[in-house]
Amino acid sequence: NAGVTQTPKFRVLKTGQSMTLLCAQDMNHEYMYWYRQDPGMGLRLIHYSVGEGTTAKGEVPDGYNVSRLKKQNFLLGLESAAPSQTSVYFCASSGTSGGPRFFGPGTRLTVL
Amino acid sequence: DQQVKQNSPSLSVQEGRISILNCDYTNSMFDYFLWYKKYPAEGPTFLISISSIKDKNEDGRFTVFLNKSAKHLSLHIVPSQPGDSAVYFCAARGNTGTASKLTFGTGTRLQVTL
Repeated sequence: NAGVTQTPKFRVLKTGQSMTLLCAQDMNHEYMYWYRQDPGMGLRLIHYSVGEGTTAKGEVPDGYNVSRLKKQNFLLGLESAAPSQTSVYFCASSGTSGGPRFFGPGTRLTVL
Repeated sequence: DQQVKQNSPSLSVQEGRISILNCDYTNSMFDYFLWYKKYPAEGPTFLISISSIKDKNEDGRFTVFLNKSAKHLSLHIVPSQPGDSAVYFCAARGNTGTASKLTFGTGTRLQVTL
């Protein structure tokens, strides 16, 4: 039981490049989330999903897109990376609507 | 506007003693609160939650207290252990929306010393 996994763990991008962060969970959870954490701030919700094929905007969705084609996977895309997107990104999942229960280890993204 | 505030960025407690981490909120619509623990280079871990219909919830060494009139909640860890050294985040949910949209505090770094 791997829980929540994230790929990659680290990435450096140049401004304007694109990339996709992959999140996978093996707990058959309906709810999945993408957060970002910046120094001195709490976690902020980017996008979330309440089931396969559904996505919704969170607190800071601009510049990001997501897809949930399979229940176990939640992808976060950056179409044109900006230095303001330098952050640590966490994926999470839960089996109920009571908030995220299991988090992945994080992806540290630097945009130059 | 920070709706969930953790005013103490850090706290140091001796092993065996009680650790008390505090969290204040401003939005009276929040009805469900959670605490998470985070070690460096790892994702957060869910610890304990409390609904606004309760004023206390216990789980082993962890107890969360909610004072709705003061818009204040606290996490008590008794007894504190060195493995409790981590950053603790409180989070709150508004009752008008899904629990998927939590508002997080900025965290308190707890250090448990020998």
